[in-house]
Amino acid sequence: QVRLVESGGGVVQPGGSLRLSCAASGFSFSNYGMHWVRRAPGKGLEWVAFIWNDGTNKFYGDSVKGRFTISRDNSKKTLYLQMNSLRGEDTAVYYCATELVVVAGSTWGQGTLVTVSS
Amino acid sequence: DIQMTQSPSSLSASVGDRVTITCRASQVISNYLAWYQQRPGTSPKLLIYAATTLQLGVPSRFSGSASGTDFTLTISSVQPEDVATYYCQKYNSAPFTFGPGTTVHIK
Repeated sequence: QVRLVESGGGVVQPGGSLRLSCAASGFSFSNYGMHWVRRAPGKGLEWVAFIWNDGTNKFYGDSVKGRFTISRDNSKKTLYLQMNSLRGEDTAVYYCATELVVVAGSTWGQGTLVTVSS
Repeated sequence: DIQMTQSPSSLSASVGDRVTITCRASQVISNYLAWYQQRPGTSPKLLIYAATTLQLGVPSRFSGSASGTDFTLTISSVQPEDVATYYCQKYNSAPFTFGPGTTVHIK
């Protein structure tokens, strides 16, 4: 079945870096644009970044622009989020999700927790 | 950038009540509006896309409507399993902004 599994979360000090991965299975990964979305404790959903299916275009939310980089390896069916210069306000559960398409809808992973703390 | 607002921020309803949540876009987004449900401790789940189209498998008590830049999610008869936070999201172009969310409680 269609599945997304995030990994790479953990505890990191302010100013540190972390790379998240999202492994896809059960669908044609290279046909879908992909998102990263996060939810900080006590807050709502925040869209983080989006990448086209072929990786040629990338878009970022203002709060992460210049610090985070979204990328993908279609041969490995894997999405990545490289997070640099991490701040306390980046503490959140990070989800990967497929772009929304008619009928198929949008699939989300279970999320991975990133905690930025000294 | 287009801003998304939602009201109310939270509500409490009795089982069987009709519940309405409103989302407003600061500019025209056509009908590129989705509604998500996030139950405590779970990932978001798509309920409605294109403002009014029910995603496969979603109970028919959920419905969406649109009028210009105003969008509405209605639960015709709220059930205990509908306790969750509901988010609208624009998806016509980046940034793919979410509304701040509406939390539904059961009395």
